[in-house]
Amino acid sequence: GAGVSQSPSNKVTEKGKDVELRCDPISGHTALYWYRQSLGQGLEFLIYFQGNSAPDKSGLPSDRFSAERTGGSVSTLTIQRTQQEDSAVYLCASSLGTGVRNEQFFGPGTRLTVL
Amino acid sequence: AQTVTQSQPEMSVQEAETVTLSCTYDTSESDYYLFWYKQPPSRQMILVIRQEAYKQQNATENRFSVNFQKAAKSFSLKISDSQLGDAAMYFCACHLYNNNDMRFGAGTRLTVKP
Repeated sequence: GAGVSQSPSNKVTEKGKDVELRCDPISGHTALYWYRQSLGQGLEFLIYFQGNSAPDKSGLPSDRFSAERTGGSVSTLTIQRTQQEDSAVYLCASSLGTGVRNEQFFGPGTRLTVL
Repeated sequence: AQTVTQSQPEMSVQEAETVTLSCTYDTSESDYYLFWYKQPPSRQMILVIRQEAYKQQNATENRFSVNFQKAAKSFSLKISDSQLGDAAMYFCACHLYNNNDMRFGAGTRLTVKP
């Protein structure tokens, strides 16, 4: 597609349920990033992929969070046993490569609400 | 790790006038990029302007320009001839050369009054 897409646009779930958030990067972009934006806050870096590899997972808030990327394209962020504090907008970005010189292009995000 | 501070939660400007959004950052590194992103209600972050830390000349993109003061670790954004479409959240960000962790400020909500 022309830009980064994310699905679903909005997700409402009950506390304790698992959720999967999907990101489709721009075709040809090898780097992919996940961020979390809590209400009234800036973006919090979660994880990045170079190809299918995630060299550093230390940004994930807890072991309930995991992410994978297959085929160097689509990525899925999974949150297990969701908690109310997980409510936020989850943004995905992609770039031609990692590193500061490569502009990150952002998707529209998934708004997650945990009741 | 680097930190970014935006001290103005909200700003307001009259259409056609000029507004400056403030940003300060802190890092012990010397090589980094600074960015301003715009986030309209659609939620999609849009790059407005970027500055390489080793460049002394302030970056300019049409009506948008920055005042980069490296010693003071300050990176303000000036919007000239403000337009209604400029209304959005604006985020300042700092990205170090040696990692892939871009840090953002908490944002400034800009309102443009007709």
